[in-house]
Amino acid sequence: DTEVTQTPKHLVMGMTNKKSLKCEQHMGHRAMYWYKQKAKKPPELMFVYSYEKLSINESVPSRFSPECPNSSLLNLHLHALQPEDSALYLCASSQVGRVIGNTIYFGEGSWLTVV
Amino acid sequence: AQTVTQSQPEMSVQEAETVTLSCTYDTSESDYYLFWYKQPPSRQMILVIRQEAYKQQNATENRFSVNFQKAAKSFSLKISDSQLGDAAMYFCAYRSAEETSGSRLTFGEGTQLTVNP
Repeated sequence: DTEVTQTPKHLVMGMTNKKSLKCEQHMGHRAMYWYKQKAKKPPELMFVYSYEKLSINESVPSRFSPECPNSSLLNLHLHALQPEDSALYLCASSQVGRVIGNTIYFGEGSWLTVV
Repeated sequence: AQTVTQSQPEMSVQEAETVTLSCTYDTSESDYYLFWYKQPPSRQMILVIRQEAYKQQNATENRFSVNFQKAAKSFSLKISDSQLGDAAMYFCAYRSAEETSGSRLTFGEGTQLTVNP
Protein backbone atom coordinates (compact mmCIF):
# COMPACT_ATOMS: atom_id res chain seq x y z
CA ASP A 1 0.00 0.00 0.00
CA THR A 2 1.28 3.39 -0.99
CA GLU A 3 1.78 5.97 1.72
CA VAL A 4 1.77 8.74 -0.84
CA THR A 5 -1.81 9.46 -1.86
CA GLN A 6 -2.72 11.30 -5.04
CA THR A 7 -6.07 12.68 -6.15
CA PRO A 8 -7.73 12.53 -8.54
CA LYS A 9 -6.69 9.25 -10.14
CA HIS A 10 -7.95 10.45 -13.51
CA LEU A 11 -8.58 13.96 -14.80
CA VAL A 12 -9.84 15.16 -18.16
CA MET A 13 -9.65 18.89 -18.75
CA GLY A 14 -10.05 21.33 -21.56
CA MET A 15 -7.29 23.65 -22.63
CA THR A 16 -9.00 26.62 -20.99
CA ASN A 17 -9.75 24.91 -17.69
CA LYS A 18 -8.06 25.37 -14.33
CA LYS A 19 -7.63 22.26 -12.26
CA SER A 20 -5.36 20.95 -9.51
CA LEU A 21 -3.66 17.70 -8.67
CA LYS A 22 -3.22 16.92 -4.99
CA CYS A 23 -0.73 14.81 -3.10
CA GLU A 24 -0.49 13.89 0.56
CA GLN A 25 2.04 11.91 2.58
CA HIS A 26 2.17 11.03 6.25
CA MET A 27 5.64 9.54 6.47
CA GLY A 28 7.18 12.66 7.98
CA HIS A 29 9.17 13.29 4.82
CA ARG A 30 10.40 16.83 4.25
CA ALA A 31 11.06 16.58 0.51
CA MET A 32 8.27 16.24 -2.03
CA TYR A 33 8.41 15.93 -5.78
CA TRP A 34 6.35 16.15 -8.96
CA TYR A 35 7.30 13.95 -11.90
CA LYS A 36 5.75 13.73 -15.36
CA GLN A 37 5.75 10.41 -17.19
CA LYS A 38 4.85 9.68 -20.79
CA ALA A 39 4.00 6.18 -21.99
CA LYS A 40 6.93 3.75 -22.07
CA LYS A 41 9.33 6.43 -20.80
CA PRO A 42 10.94 7.00 -17.41
CA PRO A 43 9.57 9.72 -15.14
CA GLU A 44 10.91 13.23 -15.66
CA LEU A 45 11.47 15.48 -12.68
CA MET A 46 9.43 18.68 -12.67
CA PHE A 47 9.66 20.22 -9.19
CA VAL A 48 11.24 19.53 -5.82
CA TYR A 49 10.19 21.02 -2.50
CA SER A 50 12.49 20.75 0.47
CA TYR A 51 11.20 21.91 3.85
CA GLU A 52 8.18 23.42 2.06
CA LYS A 53 10.36 25.61 -0.13
CA LEU A 54 10.75 25.15 -3.86
CA SER A 55 14.31 23.98 -4.39
CA ILE A 56 14.23 22.70 -7.96
CA ASN A 57 12.19 23.79 -10.98
CA GLU A 58 13.32 21.89 -14.05
CA SER A 59 12.37 24.73 -16.42
CA VAL A 60 8.73 23.72 -16.34
CA PRO A 61 6.30 25.97 -18.27
CA SER A 62 4.38 28.41 -16.09
CA ARG A 63 1.09 26.74 -16.94
CA PHE A 64 2.16 24.28 -14.22
CA SER A 65 2.23 25.92 -10.80
CA PRO A 66 3.29 23.93 -7.75
CA GLU A 67 2.31 24.70 -4.19
CA CYS A 68 3.36 23.16 -0.88
CA PRO A 69 0.91 24.36 1.80
CA ASN A 70 2.57 22.30 4.54
CA SER A 71 5.01 19.44 5.02
CA SER A 72 2.39 16.80 4.18
CA LEU A 73 0.69 18.35 1.18
CA LEU A 74 1.75 19.12 -2.36
CA ASN A 75 -0.43 20.55 -5.09
CA LEU A 76 0.07 21.06 -8.80
CA HIS A 77 -2.14 23.75 -10.27
CA LEU A 78 -2.88 23.40 -13.96
CA HIS A 79 -4.00 26.19 -16.29
CA ALA A 80 -4.17 26.57 -20.06
CA LEU A 81 -2.58 23.21 -20.70
CA GLN A 82 -1.83 21.77 -24.11
CA PRO A 83 -2.73 18.30 -25.42
CA GLU A 84 0.95 17.33 -25.23
CA ASP A 85 0.75 17.80 -21.46
CA SER A 86 -1.38 14.66 -21.27
CA ALA A 87 0.61 12.23 -19.15
CA LEU A 88 0.83 10.42 -15.83
CA TYR A 89 1.80 12.83 -13.05
CA LEU A 90 3.57 11.18 -10.16
CA CYS A 91 4.00 12.67 -6.74
CA ALA A 92 6.80 11.40 -4.52
CA SER A 93 8.39 12.08 -1.16
CA SER A 94 11.57 11.31 0.73
CA GLN A 95 13.60 12.18 3.76
CA VAL A 96 16.17 14.91 3.40
CA GLY A 97 19.78 13.97 3.98
CA ARG A 98 21.46 10.61 4.33
CA VAL A 99 18.60 8.55 5.77
CA ILE A 100 17.99 4.92 4.84
CA GLY A 101 19.40 5.34 1.38
CA ASN A 102 17.30 8.44 0.92
CA THR A 103 14.72 6.43 -0.96
CA ILE A 104 12.07 8.28 -2.94
CA TYR A 105 8.58 6.83 -2.51
CA PHE A 106 5.98 7.35 -5.21
CA GLY A 107 2.23 7.70 -5.25
CA GLU A 108 -0.05 5.89 -7.67
CA GLY A 109 -0.13 8.83 -10.03
CA SER A 110 -2.79 11.00 -11.61
CA TRP A 111 -3.66 10.35 -15.23
CA LEU A 112 -4.20 13.67 -16.99
CA THR A 113 -5.83 14.01 -20.38
CA VAL A 114 -6.01 17.44 -22.00
CA VAL A 115 -8.64 17.77 -24.72
CA ALA B 1 26.07 14.58 -15.02
CA GLN B 2 25.17 11.02 -14.24
CA THR B 3 23.68 8.64 -16.78
CA VAL B 4 21.96 5.29 -16.39
CA THR B 5 21.74 2.78 -19.22
CA GLN B 6 19.47 -0.22 -19.50
CA SER B 7 20.45 -2.05 -22.65
CA GLN B 8 17.51 -4.48 -22.70
CA PRO B 9 14.26 -2.76 -23.72
CA GLU B 10 12.38 -6.06 -23.35
CA MET B 11 12.98 -9.34 -21.59
CA SER B 12 10.89 -12.45 -21.08
CA VAL B 13 11.09 -15.33 -18.63
CA GLN B 14 9.17 -18.49 -17.92
CA GLU B 15 7.30 -18.69 -14.67
CA ALA B 16 9.50 -20.14 -11.88
CA GLU B 17 12.69 -19.43 -13.85
CA THR B 18 15.38 -16.84 -13.12
CA VAL B 19 16.01 -13.67 -15.10
CA THR B 20 18.66 -10.97 -14.87
CA LEU B 21 18.09 -7.36 -15.90
CA SER B 22 21.15 -5.27 -16.74
CA CYS B 23 21.99 -1.73 -15.72
CA THR B 24 25.13 0.33 -16.10
CA TYR B 25 25.73 3.85 -14.94
CA ASP B 26 28.26 6.56 -15.29
CA THR B 27 29.29 8.90 -12.48
CA SER B 28 32.33 10.65 -11.12
CA GLU B 29 31.00 10.48 -7.58
CA SER B 30 32.08 7.91 -5.04
CA ASP B 31 29.06 8.06 -2.76
CA TYR B 32 25.63 7.37 -4.18
CA TYR B 33 22.61 5.09 -4.08
CA LEU B 34 21.21 2.76 -6.71
CA PHE B 35 17.66 1.53 -6.96
CA TRP B 36 15.47 -0.79 -8.94
CA TYR B 37 11.85 0.30 -9.27
CA LYS B 38 9.04 -1.77 -10.69
CA GLN B 39 6.10 -0.21 -12.54
CA PRO B 40 3.25 -2.64 -13.26
CA PRO B 41 0.34 -1.75 -15.56
CA SER B 42 -1.28 0.12 -12.67
CA ARG B 43 1.66 2.54 -13.18
CA GLN B 44 2.59 2.94 -9.52
CA MET B 45 6.37 3.05 -9.08
CA ILE B 46 7.27 0.46 -6.48
CA LEU B 47 10.70 0.20 -4.89
CA VAL B 48 12.12 -3.27 -5.42
CA ILE B 49 15.59 -2.98 -3.94
CA ARG B 50 18.25 -0.40 -3.08
CA GLN B 51 22.02 -0.47 -2.77
CA GLU B 52 24.34 1.97 -1.01
CA ALA B 53 27.54 2.42 -2.98
CA TYR B 54 29.74 2.26 0.10
CA LYS B 55 28.43 -1.21 0.96
CA GLN B 56 30.27 -4.03 -0.79
CA GLN B 57 27.65 -6.60 0.11
CA ASN B 58 24.99 -7.07 -2.55
CA ALA B 59 21.47 -6.22 -1.45
CA THR B 60 18.77 -8.91 -1.40
CA GLU B 61 15.02 -8.74 -0.86
CA ASN B 62 13.38 -12.16 -0.91
CA ARG B 63 13.45 -13.33 -4.56
CA PHE B 64 15.22 -10.17 -5.72
CA SER B 65 18.96 -9.66 -5.53
CA VAL B 66 21.51 -7.42 -7.17
CA ASN B 67 25.01 -7.86 -8.48
CA PHE B 68 26.72 -4.56 -7.71
CA GLN B 69 30.10 -4.11 -9.37
CA LYS B 70 31.25 -0.62 -8.36
CA ALA B 71 34.44 -0.57 -10.39
CA ALA B 72 32.59 -1.67 -13.49
CA LYS B 73 29.65 0.65 -12.67
CA SER B 74 27.24 -2.20 -13.13
CA PHE B 75 24.07 -2.91 -11.13
CA SER B 76 22.07 -5.88 -12.39
CA LEU B 77 18.87 -7.23 -10.89
CA LYS B 78 18.24 -10.97 -10.55
CA ILE B 79 14.70 -12.22 -10.09
CA SER B 80 14.50 -15.81 -8.91
CA ASP B 81 11.45 -18.08 -9.13
CA SER B 82 9.69 -15.57 -11.39
CA GLN B 83 5.99 -15.07 -10.81
CA LEU B 84 3.26 -13.71 -13.06
CA GLY B 85 3.01 -10.69 -10.77
CA ASP B 86 6.60 -9.78 -11.58
CA ALA B 87 5.56 -8.71 -15.06
CA ALA B 88 6.21 -4.98 -15.22
CA MET B 89 8.49 -2.25 -16.46
CA TYR B 90 11.66 -2.19 -14.39
CA PHE B 91 13.65 1.01 -14.00
CA CYS B 92 17.19 1.26 -12.71
CA ALA B 93 17.86 4.58 -10.96
CA TYR B 94 20.76 6.52 -9.50
CA ARG B 95 20.73 9.07 -6.73
CA SER B 96 23.67 11.09 -5.51
CA ALA B 97 24.51 11.16 -1.82
CA GLU B 98 25.50 14.80 -2.19
CA GLU B 99 22.87 16.96 -0.49
CA THR B 100 22.71 19.60 -3.21
CA SER B 101 22.27 17.19 -6.09
CA GLY B 102 20.72 14.34 -4.15
CA SER B 103 17.20 15.40 -4.94
CA ARG B 104 17.49 14.16 -8.49
CA LEU B 105 16.74 10.55 -9.32
CA THR B 106 18.28 9.62 -12.66
CA PHE B 107 16.41 6.81 -14.40
CA GLY B 108 17.36 4.40 -17.13
CA GLU B 109 14.98 3.91 -20.06
CA GLY B 110 13.47 0.81 -18.51
CA THR B 111 13.18 -2.90 -19.28
CA GLN B 112 9.76 -4.37 -19.97
CA LEU B 113 9.63 -7.81 -18.36
CA THR B 114 7.12 -10.39 -19.54
CA VAL B 115 6.52 -13.54 -17.48
CA ASN B 116 5.17 -16.48 -19.47
CA PRO B 117 3.03 -19.12 -17.73
